[in-house]
Amino acid sequence: GAVVSQHPSWVICKSGTSVKIECRSLDFQATTMFWYRQFPKQSLMLMATSNEGSKATYEQGVEKDKFLINHASLTLSTLTVTSAHPEDSSFYICSACRLPTATDTQYFGPGTRLTVL
Amino acid sequence: AQTVTQSQPEMSVQEAETVTLSCTYDTSESDYYLFWYKQPPSRQMILVIRQEAYKQQNATENRFSVNFQKAAKSFSLKISDSQLGDAAMYFCAYRTLNAGNNRKLIWGLGTSLAVNP
Repeated sequence: GAVVSQHPSWVICKSGTSVKIECRSLDFQATTMFWYRQFPKQSLMLMATSNEGSKATYEQGVEKDKFLINHASLTLSTLTVTSAHPEDSSFYICSACRLPTATDTQYFGPGTRLTVL
Repeated sequence: AQTVTQSQPEMSVQEAETVTLSCTYDTSESDYYLFWYKQPPSRQMILVIRQEAYKQQNATENRFSVNFQKAAKSFSLKISDSQLGDAAMYFCAYRTLNAGNNRKLIWGLGTSLAVNP
């Protein structure tokens, strides 16, 4: 149990286009999901916390108008990178908290590699 | 603010041997969670082990165990009988217990573990 999927696993797009990444909890409900960005050989950088039915909470320095997050249901959150530029190229990872449970552990998706040309 | 420090950027171990990865953290809270996550070359983050600070007993999961020293704010991971599949980045993470809507993890920078045959 506690499987999280991401789609697509990799995407290549042209500069100026928008890209949507989906994060799904497959076998549990998640009121809270997280979006991370990871550069090669570095730790995870939290971008935003996504709560079902409410606005996402963005970390300092993350442009909310550029990285649009929608958590429309208890099993789906989406991250849209708008007007993507080469500097947005990165590995994006989502995670979901399985609730209600005493463990409250984050389970991670397999990640999405975004390359902006 | 809480911080997590992993002082060993890289470690190596011989197959079948034991290795210990260090993690220290700083917090003024008395109740919290600590985690070790593994990120193999596939980049899928996998939960290795979880420890609740209010539990004195060290968590164990098969070949993985922790040495949790609350007073010293230390949370090391011991991998016994190392296997080639243990080669990965290992991240230590902290989360406050009474999170409310704030369930975000505080991450260390990671330790890259190589397993030599």
